[in-house]
Amino acid sequence: RKEVEQDPGPFNVPEGATVAFNCTYSNSASQSFFWYRQDCRKEPKLLMSVYSSGNEDGRFTAQLNRASQYISLLIRDSKLSDSATYLCVVNFRNDYKLSFGAGTTVTVRA
Amino acid sequence: GAVVSQHPSRVICKSGTSVKIECRSLDFQATTMFWYRQFPKQSLMLMATSNEGSKATYEQGVEKDKFLINHASLTLSTLTVTSAHPEDSSFYICSARDPQLDTQYFGPGTRLTVL
Repeated sequence: RKEVEQDPGPFNVPEGATVAFNCTYSNSASQSFFWYRQDCRKEPKLLMSVYSSGNEDGRFTAQLNRASQYISLLIRDSKLSDSATYLCVVNFRNDYKLSFGAGTTVTVRA
Repeated sequence: GAVVSQHPSRVICKSGTSVKIECRSLDFQATTMFWYRQFPKQSLMLMATSNEGSKATYEQGVEKDKFLINHASLTLSTLTVTSAHPEDSSFYICSARDPQLDTQYFGPGTRLTVL
């Protein structure tokens, strides 16, 4: 079983729509959770950390469910510039090593 | 601006040659850097952890004699792919941890193509 699993998508949505997707992780002792964004052929960039109580950053909302071992990302009022692959990232140990999901592709169309 | 740089951004080499990739932290001192590899449509896979002044720690299945890592200073780590083969063609990305901010920053990546 993969350490971090994501629905690969693609999620094709019109501008202005809301899109949400989840990620599951296998290690219940996981400590830190992040969403990264990766554009085609570029490096990943941190979108937001995910906190236990859930957190929001503008149009992006992240939730963590430790009991079910999943995190989610919701994008409101989608923009064309939101088109990217969103990577779910988990830190299992306190050694700063990150485990990446394969990514969920989102395409926002005009 | 970028806080982690990688050089070169792209390299094409012949099978059997060695390729060196540099990763530099620009605005901070990184005691720990990480090297990842990403094949098309796959997730980033951690190859090794590079520690300044000590030997790198390799993940299971990564050959340390093939992927030589040197972390000679607090701002520079190098990955050398020795005797490269076509199956080594991939996107190699480094990250550097800023201990003061407890944040990892990724370099822009190096796309290696071995003919």
